[in-house]
Amino acid sequence: GESVGLHLPTLSVQEGDNSIINCAYSNSASDYFIWYKQESGKGPQFIIDIRSNMDKRQGQRVTVLLNKTVKHLSLQIAATQPGDSAVYFCAENIGDYKLSFGAGTTVTVRA
Amino acid sequence: GAGVSQTPSNKVTEKGKYVELRCDPISGHTALYWYRQSLGQGPEFLIYFQGTGAADDSGLPNDRFFAVRPEGSVSTLKIQRTERGDSAVYLCASSLSERAGELFFGEGSRLTVL
Repeated sequence: GESVGLHLPTLSVQEGDNSIINCAYSNSASDYFIWYKQESGKGPQFIIDIRSNMDKRQGQRVTVLLNKTVKHLSLQIAATQPGDSAVYFCAENIGDYKLSFGAGTTVTVRA
Repeated sequence: GAGVSQTPSNKVTEKGKYVELRCDPISGHTALYWYRQSLGQGPEFLIYFQGTGAADDSGLPNDRFFAVRPEGSVSTLKIQRTERGDSAVYLCASSLSERAGELFFGEGSRLTVL
């Protein structure tokens, strides 16, 4: 499943399939980007980050891609599991300590 | 505790009342942040502490909002004369360094102003 275009608020994906969540960022001067996962009733949880001198970074079952030309960030989740159901936020560093978060994409995993 | 602790988890108050929200960061984390999250939105920056001092309070919406961190650990966010528009989840986060990196968030304090 993929959120088509720059951003869609919801994404439904079949368990076992790969998910792609897209995000557009606003500040061309941003040099650091983070993906967070937020489950219902909990605070955001760090997933993976990437600095602007990289195009791709991989973690466990997750990959983040950065396209600075079009100011686009994506999060790929391999073999999506029911525990991946959550809201996913991209965030950009707009100062040394300040993060600006997107509106989030709600991912629902179908059994 | 192992994580960032926030109290209360839920607070219901009446318009015009004063509220305090408390954050206990991860031990040893010098940087502490407050964010506000409205329903269906991403967190919005309010204030950042490095040690005891507020290094940046530019996100506080107005002078009814104030935060302190007197001993460089626990922080309290104070809201005077609450308004219905203040209803949101107030998130606290801490990190090891001042450079924005992996922020560890608490579960938030949900404030409802009637």
